[in-house]
Amino acid sequence: ETGVTQTPRHLVMGMTNKKSLKCEQHLGHNAMYWYKQSAKKPLELMFVYNFKEQTENNSVPSRFSPECPNSSHLFLHLHTLQPEDSALYLCASSPTTDTQYFGPGTRLTVL
Amino acid sequence: KQEVTQIPAALSVPEGENLVLNCSFTDSAIYNLQWFRQDPGKGLTSLLLIQSSQREQTSGRLNASLDKSSGRSTLYIAASQPGDSATYLCAVDSNDYKLSFGAGTTVTVRA
Repeated sequence: ETGVTQTPRHLVMGMTNKKSLKCEQHLGHNAMYWYKQSAKKPLELMFVYNFKEQTENNSVPSRFSPECPNSSHLFLHLHTLQPEDSALYLCASSPTTDTQYFGPGTRLTVL
Repeated sequence: KQEVTQIPAALSVPEGENLVLNCSFTDSAIYNLQWFRQDPGKGLTSLLLIQSSQREQTSGRLNASLDKSSGRSTLYIAASQPGDSATYLCAVDSNDYKLSFGAGTTVTVRA
């Protein structure tokens, strides 16, 4: 266990649904990240939060909406997703520019 | 934009054989390079982190080298075991807090 938890672990949703992914860390880290991992493709960085402020949005479609209410929690709000958004969504945290600690991921399937 | 390539994409070896995994990157201006392990359907576990000023890092049976000028890193796993079967990911930090990942090498160690 890395100390980063993600819920739910699996999620199936229709294209008209609204759902949220949650990430939590109590490691005292300042930075938190969302990544997308599609089959046979490299991990894609989606968002970076540093001290609760968004510092990176890697041209992510607006149907993905991140929220970081405090330095321990990170959410990814999903609405009107497409089937090609089906992937493993990984959350990570890090103290500085040191190694990142990853959660187990949420396997998302969009029908 | 940093591009990270991992060769081979898949590797199958008998137990006891040494493993050599390769990673190359296009921009040599990096902060550090990390090797991660990912088990099927799981998150990432950090194995080794090499700072840009270092040439190699070792942990147990694992040794990673870094040649920044040529844009290459190699992960060596000595005396492989079936438990080493996983996907190994190389990631380069070339801009604060942002990692660029390769697509990974999937390793199978046959008993």
